[in-house]
Amino acid sequence: DGGITQSPKYLFRKEGQNVTLSCEQNLNHDAMYWYRQDPGQGLRLIYYSQIVNDFQKGDIAEGYSVSREKKESFPLTVTSAQKNPTAFYLCASSIRQGNEKLFFGSGTQLSVL
Amino acid sequence: GENVEQHPSTLSVQEGDSAVIKCTYSDSASNYFPWYKQELGKGPQLIIDIRSNVGEKKDQRIAVTLNKTAKHFSLHITETQPEDSAVYFCAASPSASKIIFGSGTRLSIRP
Repeated sequence: DGGITQSPKYLFRKEGQNVTLSCEQNLNHDAMYWYRQDPGQGLRLIYYSQIVNDFQKGDIAEGYSVSREKKESFPLTVTSAQKNPTAFYLCASSIRQGNEKLFFGSGTQLSVL
Repeated sequence: GENVEQHPSTLSVQEGDSAVIKCTYSDSASNYFPWYKQELGKGPQLIIDIRSNVGEKKDQRIAVTLNKTAKHFSLHITETQPEDSAVYFCAASPSASKIIFGSGTRLSIRP
């Protein structure tokens, strides 16, 4: 089945720790995105990538980092600089940047211990 | 700034009745308006979308209407069923690289 796989489903972070969320897609999509979802709020864009080895900051990039070494993979690292990391994180892809239809993964719930 | 407001935040309807969710956008350059459905523990899934050159679009029990002058767009679900229970997000796209989401509506269908 083609789709987007996020792992893990649940993740716990200790104070001062960096954690990495995985996102893999086999849809052959060029563009990939990371969104943060907080209760009662819409999805907010953290980072996006149009092609391999290129990525851009979204609206709330502070405290996060990404890489795009392979077309299929777009991992997100939540660094210790992100002071309020507890949220539901969603990875998405689209055929190309500007093709508006987004395909989402099932998300990762990150909580702070 | 760019903003999408969505109402209501929660909605409960009797099975078989209709449900309406409304959104308002601020950026007049917006030309693409998707609606996503998010079931519990899953990622959002596109259910219908409309572009600015169209006033209404239907797909079986769901329909979307757009009033560009008033910057309003709405989702209509008729003959609601239990599987319609979910969180629904509207969104507006003012440019190719930007999609702004509303805050979501939790729809519950009462048996």
